[in-house]
Amino acid sequence: GAVVSQHPSWVICKSGTSVKIECRSLDFQATTMFWYRQFPKQSLMLMATSNEGSKATYEQGVEKDKFLINHASLTLSTLTVTSAHPEDSSFYICSASWAGYTFGSGTRLTVV
Amino acid sequence: GQNIDQPTEMTATEGAIVQINCTYQTSGFNGLFWYQQHAGEAPTFLSYNVLDGLEEKGRFSSFLSRSKGYSYLLLKELQMKDSASYLCAARLLPSGGSYIPTFGRGTSLIVHP
Repeated sequence: GAVVSQHPSWVICKSGTSVKIECRSLDFQATTMFWYRQFPKQSLMLMATSNEGSKATYEQGVEKDKFLINHASLTLSTLTVTSAHPEDSSFYICSASWAGYTFGSGTRLTVV
Repeated sequence: GQNIDQPTEMTATEGAIVQINCTYQTSGFNGLFWYQQHAGEAPTFLSYNVLDGLEEKGRFSSFLSRSKGYSYLLLKELQMKDSASYLCAARLLPSGGSYIPTFGRGTSLIVHP
């Protein structure tokens, strides 16, 4: 079946630094990937839609300059949280459309 | 706008049957997913309904009524491991070429002995 690999699983960083999260489709080509953020006991909130070879489409209220998305190939999309702050601490999950939406394992980001 | 509603929390007894409802008000609806999510983990796919009716898959079944904007997930012979959050998600028609999934807040199911 379709597998989406997401790394790292967890990361702790200092306030003001940047963190990159990778999402790879292992056995299929994903022209579109979705990036979500989930706070404790909250639902998945779509941040942006990443399209291979073009600019990402961001949801209202999501700062495109803070959350940089790159989808340079059909199997890799990255999310970079720039100048991270404690309020950016959250669970970030990517997904790709393949017979449903297959999710990566998620990245727990803690900004201290 | 898009709106998906499901109960926040439900409790049930091991071995019993539980039905988790989901209502939606969306434009461009193209199908409804159910996912299971354990705390700290990514959601896992349970079912997808695009036509009206009941889809049965082992202990889990999912129902959709497009005219009523309503779906439910039915879990039979509940087990302790079924304690998790259950998310319904509407698949919306392409916007700019991409199908956009919209998730409800999730229903936290607690199964007790």
